[in-house]
Amino acid sequence: AQSVTQLDSQVPVFEEAPVELRCNYSSSVSVYLFWYVQYPNQGLQLLLKYLSGSTLVKGINGFEAEFNKSQTSFHLRKPSVHISDTAEYFCAVSRGHAGNNRKLIWGLGTSLAVNP
Amino acid sequence: DTGVSQDPRHKITKRGQNVTFRCDPISEHNRLYWYRQTLGQGPEFLTYFQNEAQLEKSRLLSDRFSAERPKGSFSTLEIQRTEQGDSAMYLCASSPTAGLNYNEQFFGPGTRLTVL
Repeated sequence: AQSVTQLDSQVPVFEEAPVELRCNYSSSVSVYLFWYVQYPNQGLQLLLKYLSGSTLVKGINGFEAEFNKSQTSFHLRKPSVHISDTAEYFCAVSRGHAGNNRKLIWGLGTSLAVNP
Repeated sequence: DTGVSQDPRHKITKRGQNVTFRCDPISEHNRLYWYRQTLGQGPEFLTYFQNEAQLEKSRLLSDRFSAERPKGSFSTLEIQRTEQGDSAMYLCASSPTAGLNYNEQFFGPGTRLTVL
């Protein structure tokens, strides 16, 4: 079984500062990794995903994440945040190559608050 | 491609009543997922369809819950004899089985259920 831990429930940051949202996972099988964003009163939107290949993944809105297999981590980063980045961020994993069911196992979320 | 749609967006019901939600996935997406998200939590997997076949149900899905996808297109989720603990956001996602977005789940806006 897989599990996901988002190490910070809330991250306050000033506008134009860098930010890192931390995510660790556990799994006995290969996994795919995802970061989703949920803006207030909106649905979940995919920021980026790691399936295979380069461990540094670039996503939308200037976000990137690095897959670290030895540390079982998939931390999300942005070098300079904007007020509009204020949202809830979720890390999720699914099984890798085995089977067709790619159900997502989710972390509890990190609330990013960007202040002027 | 109009995205995943869900209906209704909000539902308020009294304890003990039955409710039914509908999800229309992106056309040609064979995989369909239902998740539940309570306040302050990440989504939790409920069930998965590959075309019309329901291939996995979470233990969270008690006997009061039933889901169908009769023609492999839209899906319904019914909750019988609702309880206050059923209050949550019910999310639907669909995913293709091939192509550029293989392994990515596209989410609808969700149906927010409030049980009084």
